[in-house]
Amino acid sequence: GQSLEQPSEVTAVEGAIVQINCTYQTSGFYGLSWYQQHDGGAPTFLSYNALDGLEETGRFSSFLSRSDSYGYLLLQELQMKDSASYFCAVRAPTDSWGKFQFGAGTQVVVTP
Amino acid sequence: DVKVTQSSRYLVKRTGEKVFLECVQDMDHENMFWYRQDPGLGLRLIYFSYDVKMKEKGDIPEGYSVSREKKERFSLILESASTNQTSMYLCASSIDRGQKANVLTFGAGSRLTVL
Repeated sequence: GQSLEQPSEVTAVEGAIVQINCTYQTSGFYGLSWYQQHDGGAPTFLSYNALDGLEETGRFSSFLSRSDSYGYLLLQELQMKDSASYFCAVRAPTDSWGKFQFGAGTQVVVTP
Repeated sequence: DVKVTQSSRYLVKRTGEKVFLECVQDMDHENMFWYRQDPGLGLRLIYFSYDVKMKEKGDIPEGYSVSREKKERFSLILESASTNQTSMYLCASSIDRGQKANVLTFGAGSRLTVL
């Protein structure tokens, strides 16, 4: 099975950089994904790391190290609209299809 | 634009009632999922389906069943609702292969309250 751990909350000021770590214990997985969810909204896909290394999408970057069982999401030039919950997720193989497992989520609070 | 539509945004039901949550996707996705979301617990998988009439249990299937008679529709059924099933229910879908298979598209959610 798999277990993903991430911090429950992070607070930072506008313009700052925030790193959300995700550590996991899993017997095997296809890759690490990140989702953003604003209050009252649906989770939306941010990024996916199939291989070790850094993936950059605008102000957001995601990193994976399989050997360290560790990944992170980096939010740069924080804006007020980045206040949201962020979830890491893995997809693990099963006999018929891989199912996604999510971490408990990190609440990011951006202050002026 | 990819879209997953959940039929009810808010529902209030009484203990023991049968509850149907409907989800429709218009992207011709093979895979569909039902999650429930509770504070501090994140998203927990109830059931998923990889094809019409096919289903697999997730991590918390007890008290739930599902139906997928058509590719675009995935229903979650609570045979006899209980107060501990008060939660936000999220439906999602994805394609079956390629890099995009790792991208879930979620509906807006159905907030169920069981009294």
